[in-house]
Amino acid sequence: EAGVAQSPRYKIIEKRQSVAFWCNPISGHATLYWYQQILGQGPKLLIQFQNNGVVDDSQLPKDRFSAERLKGVDSTLKIQPAKLEDSAVYLCASSFSHGVLYEQDFGPGTRLTVT
Amino acid sequence: KQEVTQIPAALSVPEGENLVLNCSFTDSAIYNLQWFRQDPGKGLTSLLLIQSSQREQTSGRLNASLDKSSGRSTLYIAASQPGDSATYLCAVDQAGTALIFGKGTTLSVSS
Repeated sequence: EAGVAQSPRYKIIEKRQSVAFWCNPISGHATLYWYQQILGQGPKLLIQFQNNGVVDDSQLPKDRFSAERLKGVDSTLKIQPAKLEDSAVYLCASSFSHGVLYEQDFGPGTRLTVT
Repeated sequence: KQEVTQIPAALSVPEGENLVLNCSFTDSAIYNLQWFRQDPGKGLTSLLLIQSSQREQTSGRLNASLDKSSGRSTLYIAASQPGDSATYLCAVDQAGTALIFGKGTTLSVSS
């Protein structure tokens, strides 16, 4: 079974520019998560989707971050405009559902550097 | 608010040594506790998942224990190898929420 795919793997942008990340979850996985991992920290949830609906976006900085999951499959995460503190690895994960027994599978991440 | 703490932040050991990584969490109302491995520039690989009703899980040279009432978990690695060098992350989930992670322990095993 193919794993969670993410692109691009690396991105360097200047502050105030915009950037978008793409995630393709494992086929059949209804739940999709975006995490932000700042260097030296554990991943922190940004947004959780169940199919194409948002379950939790309480930690998403909505003034600059947006995410969508059209058709309940692929997802994009956008930052506009980027700040220096957005430099991090953005991890996408998916699971069969958001119940307690379903493990999350993680993608390789996108490393963003904002200069 | 759930907080997850991992001690130590970094650990260096010679090959062959047995070692223990510690994880603590502030709210005992968890459903699962999971240990992950993260290699530099890579995503997360799940090592062991312990359900709240379980006390431990084993996989090869790895053994994870869970004491939910005291809010603690340990990851025991037997006969460490240089290939075990990585960052180990502990995470908990509550009632179907997303995972809450600790900051990780960076392990270096020298040959």
